[in-house]
Amino acid sequence: KQEVTQIPAALSVPEGENLVLNCSFTDSAIYNLQWFRQDPGKGLTSLLLIQSSQREQTSGRLNASLDKSSGRSTLYIAASQPGDSATYLCAVTGNYGQNFVFGPGTRLSVLP
Amino acid sequence: SQTIHQWPATLVQPVGSPLSLECTVEGTSNPNLYWYRQAAGRGLQLLFYSVGIGQISSEVPQNLSASRPQDRQFILSSKKLLLSDSGFYLCAWGISGHTEAFFGQGTRLTVV
Repeated sequence: KQEVTQIPAALSVPEGENLVLNCSFTDSAIYNLQWFRQDPGKGLTSLLLIQSSQREQTSGRLNASLDKSSGRSTLYIAASQPGDSATYLCAVTGNYGQNFVFGPGTRLSVLP
Repeated sequence: SQTIHQWPATLVQPVGSPLSLECTVEGTSNPNLYWYRQAAGRGLQLLFYSVGIGQISSEVPQNLSASRPQDRQFILSSKKLLLSDSGFYLCAWGISGHTEAFFGQGTRLTVV
């Protein structure tokens, strides 16, 4: 059974810092991995999708990497801003089926 | 462009009352549709997914049911709500289980 964990559970940083969020999964037979952002009381916004054959994806100040063999992904946020404050979730799909398995999320606070 | 609508945004229901949450997708055909629940302090749990009209797969046994009466309509129901049904319910869609997933804005359900 696939399990996804995220470290740290919460993170507070001053504005302007670069930061890394971590995601680990137990079954390396994934098809893709997706990073989401969730603002309080809102739905999920897709940030980046990495296919299993890819090593990384970039969008603006965000860079996500994938090391499938070790079961890890990182989300790098450059020059953090208060507007980046949210919960960040990673999710994987496997060759086993149709479904995303989510991590518990990392709650990020960027202080002005 | 594709959009996903979910309503209502918030709902307070007494124990034992019925439930109907609706989700519709625009701008795509034959999407995979998903219902997730996010309990306080916990990750997202997949409840149901559907790959086509009338095709429903249940991930966990529970007090809820789902239906897909039309290609782009997904409904989450209950005949009698329990206190434990309280949570944040999210609808999502994807072209298949191996592509990017897109989420609605969620419904906050409080059972009292």
